[in-house]
Amino acid sequence: DIVMTQSPDSLTVSLGERATINCKSSQNVLYKSNNRYYVAWYQQKPGQPPKLLIYLASTRESGVSDRFSGSGSGTDFTLTISGLQAEDVAVYYCHQYYTTPHTFGQGTKVEIK
Amino acid sequence: QVQLEQSGTEVKRPGASVRVSCKASGYTFTDYYLHWVRQAPGQGLEWLGRIRPDTGDTRYAREFQGRVTMTRDTSITTAYMELSSLRSDDTAMYYCARHQVPIGLPFDYWGQGTLVSVSS
Repeated sequence: DIVMTQSPDSLTVSLGERATINCKSSQNVLYKSNNRYYVAWYQQKPGQPPKLLIYLASTRESGVSDRFSGSGSGTDFTLTISGLQAEDVAVYYCHQYYTTPHTFGQGTKVEIK
Repeated sequence: QVQLEQSGTEVKRPGASVRVSCKASGYTFTDYYLHWVRQAPGQGLEWLGRIRPDTGDTRYAREFQGRVTMTRDTSITTAYMELSSLRSDDTAMYYCARHQVPIGLPFDYWGQGTLVSVSS
């Protein structure tokens, strides 16, 4: 199984500052036929299901604020929240959907300083 | 609008089985795989498996093989997840989510979740 390891486990950032969350996959998640990485990022707030933010490592889902961006290659991926807002307080998960079993990172809790 | 509507809270005894439903609407049911993901209280996300609604093909996580069964009824655009031999550590929120495989779009819509509580 592909293990997705996120860092850090928690992050405290001042309003308006940048938050960076990393995710490392234990194996390749690059689909060669389209040269895309099958990694997604989700935001989850208490009492709600996860919300898709980014897919194919860097494609922002429709309707998602452009403060959220995804990047990465190889086995290292990053979610960046630029200009943190109060409504961004949540737990963030990476997800590989390159192969079954799908796997998730353990989550990163983002809070306001 | 796209909706995945799940069945309600379940309270079960250890050893029992539970079946959770996920009614899809607002899109072509057979165009998207349906996955099941659970989340124990205060914990992260755990993938249980998926069903391909057009063919009924399933894939399950190894740790649930033999205990989980995913089915669908295309006539009523509903997917089901049945988990047997329930244990206390199966207590969790269970979610369904759709996945459009051809374009690499993963879980863009999720059900609201079904709480399954297992206790003696």
